[in-house]
Amino acid sequence: AQSVTQPDIHITVSEGASLELRCNYSYGATPYLFWYVQSPGQGLQLLLKYFSGDTLVQGIKGFEAEFKRSQSSFNLRKPSVHWSDAAEYFCAVGPNQAGTALIFGKGTTLSVSS
Amino acid sequence: GAVVSQHPSWVICKSGTSVKIECRSLDFQATTMFWYRQFPKQSLMLMATSNEGSKATYEQGVEKDKFLINHASLTLSTLTVTSAHPEDSSFYICSAGGQASSGANVLTFGAGSRLTVL
Repeated sequence: AQSVTQPDIHITVSEGASLELRCNYSYGATPYLFWYVQSPGQGLQLLLKYFSGDTLVQGIKGFEAEFKRSQSSFNLRKPSVHWSDAAEYFCAVGPNQAGTALIFGKGTTLSVSS
Repeated sequence: GAVVSQHPSWVICKSGTSVKIECRSLDFQATTMFWYRQFPKQSLMLMATSNEGSKATYEQGVEKDKFLINHASLTLSTLTVTSAHPEDSSFYICSAGGQASSGANVLTFGAGSRLTVL
C-alpha cells in the first residue's frame, strides 16, 4: 500500500538550533516527493520537491531535504530555525502525473522556543 | 506561474443550507482537480478527483450526493456542500493539476476554504 509516515507528531526546537523532520514513504513506483508547510488557517505552501537527479534538494526559506532510496526516506532539514518557521509540515508522495493526487503524511507540528 | 485561486476563504452558514466553493486555475489549464478535507490538527484527506468534462471520482466513504463536484471547464471546479450540517464544518482545500505553458506538469494548491456550519 502507498503511504507516507511522519513519525514525529510534534517537535519543539530552540530558535537558532538545527531542525530535522522525518518522512518515510511506501510507494510502488519511482516516487516524487514533496514537503509542504501550512500556517494556522492557511493553505499549503510548497517548500521543495524531488523528482530526480541530485538527491539533496534545496527549497525555499533555507530548507533542504535528502532523498535516500535505500531508507525510503525524505527528511527535511534546516540548519538554523527561526521563530517564523513554527507551523505544520506535511510530507507527500505521488507520481509525476497530472491526474493523480498526492498522498500526505499526518504532519509534524513544529514549535520554536526562544 | 501555476496559481490557483480558491474562494471563499471563510464561510459561515446555517444548518440545512448549501455552500459552494470555487477553485480556479489562473494561468494554466487544470485537467484534473482534487478536493481535500482537513479536520483540525489532521492531515489532508482526499475527497474526490475530477477531470474536466467528466464526473468526479469519489473516495470511499465520501457522499457524492452531499459533496457535489463540478469541473465544467479547464479553469474552474466547484465543490457544493449540500444541506450542510455542523459535522461538515472543516477546512476544504482544492488542488489543480495540469500543464504549464512550458509543458511541465504542475500541481498547485488553493489557499483553502474554512466552512463553519451553525
